[in-house]
Amino acid sequence: GAGVSQTPSNKVTEKGKYVELRCDPISGHTALYWYRQSLGQGPEFLIYFQGTGAADDSGLPNDRFFAVRPEGSVSTLKIQRTERGDSAVYLCASSIRGEWDEQFFGPGTRLTVL
Amino acid sequence: KQEVTQIPAALSVPEGENLVLNCSFTDSAIYNLQWFRQDPGKGLTSLLLIQSSQREQTSGRLNASLDKSSGRSTLYIAASQPGDSATYLCAVNLYGQNFVFGPGTRLSVLP
Repeated sequence: GAGVSQTPSNKVTEKGKYVELRCDPISGHTALYWYRQSLGQGPEFLIYFQGTGAADDSGLPNDRFFAVRPEGSVSTLKIQRTERGDSAVYLCASSIRGEWDEQFFGPGTRLTVL
Repeated sequence: KQEVTQIPAALSVPEGENLVLNCSFTDSAIYNLQWFRQDPGKGLTSLLLIQSSQREQTSGRLNASLDKSSGRSTLYIAASQPGDSATYLCAVNLYGQNFVFGPGTRLSVLP
């Protein structure tokens, strides 16, 4: 596609529920990143994929967070037993080869946990 | 741990002024540095990427410089316009790691 797309754009859920957030990177980009952004702050790194594998998942806050990229293209960020503190904008980015390349961001998914 | 700060946190200028946004980082062993703009409720738009071997990059009215030894980068915006109003973020990339973002500078250009 022309750019990185993310769905849904907004997600409202109740505390304790499970959510999935989807990212479609730019076609041909092998590197994919997930970030989380709270109001008034810069994005915080969560996980980086190189192809199908998670090259760096050091930013995932705890084991309730998990992400997959089974075919090396679309990625899904999964959050179990959501908490109110998980409310944030979740941003996805992709780059052609890796962390040395320019990153292109999607519009984000705004997650609200009630 | 790499820390990135941006000064000022907010800036308001009249249209037509030239302005400078500052980004500082604590670990000078960076691979590259990228400047982004973010409009309210939107994702990030890439402005400029500076590799560690470069000193500056230019795109239209924007010029970004990098001084690794002092841990600083500046984004210069010439002849500012109301459409430049946004939050500007810098992000640094350490070798073998991923981007660490600053908190951003919120710019308002008044007509």
